[in-house]
Amino acid sequence: KNQVEQSPQSLIILEGKNCTLQCNYTVSPFSNLRWYKQDTGRGPVSLTIMTFSENTKSNGRYTATLDADTKQSSLHITASQLSDSASYICVVSALNNDMRFGAGTRLTVKP
Amino acid sequence: SQTIHQWPATLVQPVGSPLSLECTVEGTSNPNLYWYRQAAGRGLQLLFYSVGIGQISSEVPQNLSASRPQDRQFILSSKKLLLSDSGFYLCAWSSRARGELFFGSGTQLSVL
Repeated sequence: KNQVEQSPQSLIILEGKNCTLQCNYTVSPFSNLRWYKQDTGRGPVSLTIMTFSENTKSNGRYTATLDADTKQSSLHITASQLSDSASYICVVSALNNDMRFGAGTRLTVKP
Repeated sequence: SQTIHQWPATLVQPVGSPLSLECTVEGTSNPNLYWYRQAAGRGLQLLFYSVGIGQISSEVPQNLSASRPQDRQFILSSKKLLLSDSGFYLCAWSSRARGELFFGSGTQLSVL
């Protein structure tokens, strides 16, 4: 069964600290993995996309990693800011374009 | 550039009343269109998707229906709302080639 599991469910960190969010998946055959950021009450916005051959991809202070062998991805946020407070959603697509969403990690950055 | 418009932003409806949420996309042609629902603290659940005018696929049996009367217009409807229809509804589009989803700003629906 194609599934996407994210951890932790929620996370609270202090401004300026780093954090790492995890995404494990069983989607197969794998096509790509995207991380989305969703501000409260808004639609998700794509941060990164990773395909099978990519191990690391950065977007400013966001760095995503992918291990296609273990079917794990992480999203690392460096020097967190208050505006990073949001839900981060991992979405994994299969080759048939079937998309599976994780439940998200709710990140709160406190001053 | 492409934009997606979804309205209204919030809606409070009594049980048994009808529903119509509208979504339009600008700046692209022949988009794939999607309706998702997000319950509090839960992941996004795909309700409907459409690859063309009049072509609607439903992912889960429910009290809702969708229509695509024009290429860039997607409508979510219900004849009689249930309490369980409450949630955050998101419209999204993707190009046929890339698959990246671009979401609207969402509609918070409360059925009382």
